[in-house]
Amino acid sequence: QVQLVQSGAEVKKPGASVKVSCKASGYTFTGYYIHWVRQAPGQGLEWMGWINPNSGGTNYGRHFQGRVTMTSDTSMYTAYMELSSLRSDDTAVYYCARGSDITSTPTPWDFWGQGTLVTVSS
Amino acid sequence: EIVLTQSPGTLSLSPGERATLSCRASQSVDSSYLAWYQQRPGQAPRLLIYGASSRATGIPDRFSGSGSGTDFTLTISRLVPEDFAVYYCQQYDSSPRTFGQGTQLEIK
Repeated sequence: QVQLVQSGAEVKKPGASVKVSCKASGYTFTGYYIHWVRQAPGQGLEWMGWINPNSGGTNYGRHFQGRVTMTSDTSMYTAYMELSSLRSDDTAVYYCARGSDITSTPTPWDFWGQGTLVTVSS
Repeated sequence: EIVLTQSPGTLSLSPGERATLSCRASQSVDSSYLAWYQQRPGQAPRLLIYGASSRATGIPDRFSGSGSGTDFTLTISRLVPEDFAVYYCQQYDSSPRTFGQGTQLEIK
């Protein structure tokens, strides 16, 4: 069965960086986009960007450009999201989600990771 | 950027009642690429509806979606206790992908 398993909670100081992992299983990892979304406490869902694990191509949300880097390791079936220059308002749960088949028209996000809480505090 | 506005912000209903949630887009959305998600406290979002009106795998038939263009609706025909959660609409075609701000469905 398809699963996305994320790394554990992190506590970081302002100005630091955090790297969250998302390990995929149950499907062809290189065949689907991975999206990253975050959710601040008590708030809604904010799209951060996607990565094509096959090509390494990325597309970042404007709000995060210059601070986010999405990568993948196809040998480990794992996608990564690194966010730098952390601020207190980056405190949120970060989710990965499986997007479309890279060869097809857009499809909804049918599988999500369990979320990773990143707390930014001095 | 396509802005999705959901209403109401909070909906208070009783089990057994019918819920109607709205999602309005700032510009026309291809209905093939409009989804609804349910999020329970402490859980990841769960896909309910895609293509505006198709139920995802395992979703009960009390959930239905409709709409086109800029106006979309999620209807839950007879609420059961586990339906009380937050619901988000999303467009998954144009970049940036966007979500509505959510509708909190609470027990009256």
